[in-house]
Amino acid sequence: EDQVTQSPEALRLQEGESSSLNCSYTVSGLRGLFWYRQDPGKGPEFLFTLYSAGEEKEKERLKATLTKKESFLHITAPKPEDSATYLCAVQANTGNQFYFGTGTSLTVIP
Amino acid sequence: ETGVTQSPTHLIKTRGQQVTLRCSSQSGHNTVSWYQQALGQGPQFIFQYYREEENGRGNFPPRFSGLQFPNYSSELNVNALELDDSALYLCASSLTGNGYTFGSGTRLTVV
Repeated sequence: EDQVTQSPEALRLQEGESSSLNCSYTVSGLRGLFWYRQDPGKGPEFLFTLYSAGEEKEKERLKATLTKKESFLHITAPKPEDSATYLCAVQANTGNQFYFGTGTSLTVIP
Repeated sequence: ETGVTQSPTHLIKTRGQQVTLRCSSQSGHNTVSWYQQALGQGPQFIFQYYREEENGRGNFPPRFSGLQFPNYSSELNVNALELDDSALYLCASSLTGNGYTFGSGTRLTVV
């Protein structure tokens, strides 16, 4: 069964304290793995797409990596404005279906 | 460049009624997908349209249906509303399928 599991469910960091969010996935043929940021009451904001194991992408304080079974979103020296829910999604080759995880709620304390 | 626009932003319907939600894709985007997001959960994939044809569908019953128009705008129709249909409905568009831009959603409440 295709599925996505994110951990931890919630994470509190001090400003400047680096950490990583995990996304484990099971899919019958990966077309792409997506990371999104979602603020309360808003739609998800696209961050990255990864396609194959070993691929890495960076944007400001965020870096996403991909293996055959999981992806990590590394946050370096986070700031309070990085506080949000981070969602991971995979798109399957078959049927173009998307599967989202339940997200990690990140709070960065000044 | 405009983003993805959804209407209405909020809606209250009675159980058994029908509802139509609308989405204007980002300019030039030919792919649109719809999602249902319950409170505290990740979005659940409903279906995807590419150039007016459905090319992907999640585990939702047939009373969830959609349309994509020649200008790539889209509608989500839900018949025979149930209380569990209360959720945030999100539309996302893409040009290549490699990165999707989401709208802010329609909050549907079924009473």
